[in-house]
Amino acid sequence: GAVVSQHPSWVICKSGTSVKIECRSLDFQATTMFWYRQFPKQSLMLMATSNEGSKATYEQGVEKDKFLINHASLTLSTLTVTSAHPEDSSFYICSVAGTRTSYNEQFFGPGTRLTVL
Amino acid sequence: GENVGLHLPTLSVQEGDNSIINCAYSNSASDYFIWYKQESGKGPQFIIDIRSNMDKRQGQRVTVLLNKTVKHLSLQIAATQPGDSAVYFCAENMEYGNKLVFGAGTILRVKS
Repeated sequence: GAVVSQHPSWVICKSGTSVKIECRSLDFQATTMFWYRQFPKQSLMLMATSNEGSKATYEQGVEKDKFLINHASLTLSTLTVTSAHPEDSSFYICSVAGTRTSYNEQFFGPGTRLTVL
Repeated sequence: GENVGLHLPTLSVQEGDNSIINCAYSNSASDYFIWYKQESGKGPQFIIDIRSNMDKRQGQRVTVLLNKTVKHLSLQIAATQPGDSAVYFCAENMEYGNKLVFGAGTILRVKS
């Protein structure tokens, strides 16, 4: 499968600041990238779907102005949490899909732990 | 469908026993299902998948069963090992696009 990395693996920030999380597909052209959020002891919830070169499609209830997604290349997508607040503290996970994947298969990154103080 | 913030159910098994993890999915139109394993602080790891035109698929030490009549999916792990301890999620692919919807998850604890 595809090798997916995320940076940083964890970040602590002050309330009101913005945080950028990178998702890289190291050996795979990711035409589609997904961003998920996972709160402690809960499942993964899809936040948005981004296609390379297009605007992201956000799930219902996810503020697009707060969670800025950029998928400028086939190997990189970024998620920026703007004006972060403690309730944004979560585990953010990206996944990739593309022409090399089989039927709707996704490959997941290792996740980024965000803690907002 | 939407998952909600509930405590995850826990399955405790003795090392060497077989484990069965169950999942109810939400959309009868879903046509592709995947089981993922997630260890603490890591992203989900693919275990096995199954398409809706099948009712059983076997991998190495794992078997997935699909019952479309009752919208139920199960993961069987043979000879469970301590390294199998993790949270297990089922995911369904909705008929539109590549979106995956994850189930609530089950914690598997293997006792040595």
